[in-house]
Amino acid sequence: RKEVEQDPGPFNVPEGATVAFNCTYSNSASQSFFWYRQDCRKEPKLLMSVYSSGNEDGRFTAQLNRASQYISLLIRDSKLSDSATYLCVVNERGSASKIIFGSGTRLSIRP
Amino acid sequence: SQTIHQWPATLVQPVGSPLSLECTVEGTSNPNLYWYRQAAGRGLQLLFYSVGIGQISSEVPQNLSASRPQDRQFILSSKKLLLSDSGFYLCAWSVEEVTEAFFGQGTRLTVV
Repeated sequence: RKEVEQDPGPFNVPEGATVAFNCTYSNSASQSFFWYRQDCRKEPKLLMSVYSSGNEDGRFTAQLNRASQYISLLIRDSKLSDSATYLCVVNERGSASKIIFGSGTRLSIRP
Repeated sequence: SQTIHQWPATLVQPVGSPLSLECTVEGTSNPNLYWYRQAAGRGLQLLFYSVGIGQISSEVPQNLSASRPQDRQFILSSKKLLLSDSGFYLCAWSVEEVTEAFFGQGTRLTVV
């Protein structure tokens, strides 16, 4: 089983739509969670951290369910500029300090 | 502020040649350092990570090795490159109180 699993997509949605991505992780000791965005042929960049209470940043909402080992990202009112690959990331911290990336979900927003 | 430098940006190497990619971090002390590889159209695969000088953990057995000769320097090496070593290599850092990873701009390696 992969340590971090995501639906690879692609998701192809019209501008203005709401889209949701899901991610599961296998290590119950994982401590920190993030969503990154990666544009074509560029390095990944942090989109937002994910907290147990859920958090929102403008049109983006992230949720964490520790019991189910499940992370989600919701994008509302999608823009053309949201087209990218979205990576789910888990930091196992502690003695391992491993930061593990999911394989990413591709999103394409059409006009 | 912290910055991470990774070079070169692009590299074309013949099969069987050696490799050395260097990554340095500025503006922080005792960072955790990481090397990832991303094959075309695929996700990031963690290759090595280091929590201190001379401390290297390998995630995937392969043709590559890593070294950390100084606190803020992380080097990825190979004695003989294979075609399958082609990919986008990314160096990243994090520190304990800031748990997300920050990336260099990457090296796109093509083995021919």
